[in-house]
Amino acid sequence: SYDLTQPPSVSVSPGQTATITCSGVKLGDKFTCWYQQKSGQSPVLVIHEDSKRPSGIPARFSGSSSGNTATLTISGTQALDEAEYYCQAWDRTTAVFGGGTKLTVL
Amino acid sequence: QVLLQASGPRLVKPSETLSLTCSVSSDSFGDYYWNWIRRPAGKGLEWIGRIYGSGSTNYNPSLRSRATMSVDRSKNQVSLKLNSVTAADTAVYYCARLAGSGFDFWGQGTTVTVSS
Repeated sequence: SYDLTQPPSVSVSPGQTATITCSGVKLGDKFTCWYQQKSGQSPVLVIHEDSKRPSGIPARFSGSSSGNTATLTISGTQALDEAEYYCQAWDRTTAVFGGGTKLTVL
Repeated sequence: QVLLQASGPRLVKPSETLSLTCSVSSDSFGDYYWNWIRRPAGKGLEWIGRIYGSGSTNYNPSLRSRATMSVDRSKNQVSLKLNSVTAADTAVYYCARLAGSGFDFWGQGTTVTVSS
């Protein structure tokens, strides 16, 4: 089975840049999506196809992918960005999620 | 706007079958894959499977063929059945639409507990 690995937690100060990584074998050859899930809420798609932002997602969210790693970057992080973040990719016809990263805005 | 609403029993006994229905408000129901995804307490998201408007399906191999999805196009509904449940199947269950490679619309989630 295909695995995606994320760091369990990332901390950032308000206004700084948060970087969350997602690692998988040849992940750069697949499309990676990123989801934000706040406590008690459903996940929200914030990045699709590695680097595209859906309508309504702030420009401070950006994504990139190369080699074995995809990266979600949040520039000028705000307190309201505190959430769990998940990467996701497709292994043939199976969707795979990373284990999730808890982003804490200190 | 696309709205998804999951419904079904909140409590299921071990070894029995979990049954959920997702009602979809969408103009193009038949043109998308509709998915079930769950999140066990304290754990991350797990994809269960998907069904196209035509009825073709794909499932997560990790569920070892316990999951079955069906579609009712006349009602814009997709259903999930998960048999032989155990406590490990206790989770919040979401239905979501697949657009391209990502899940762009999600239902509100329904909590299912497996317990005697």
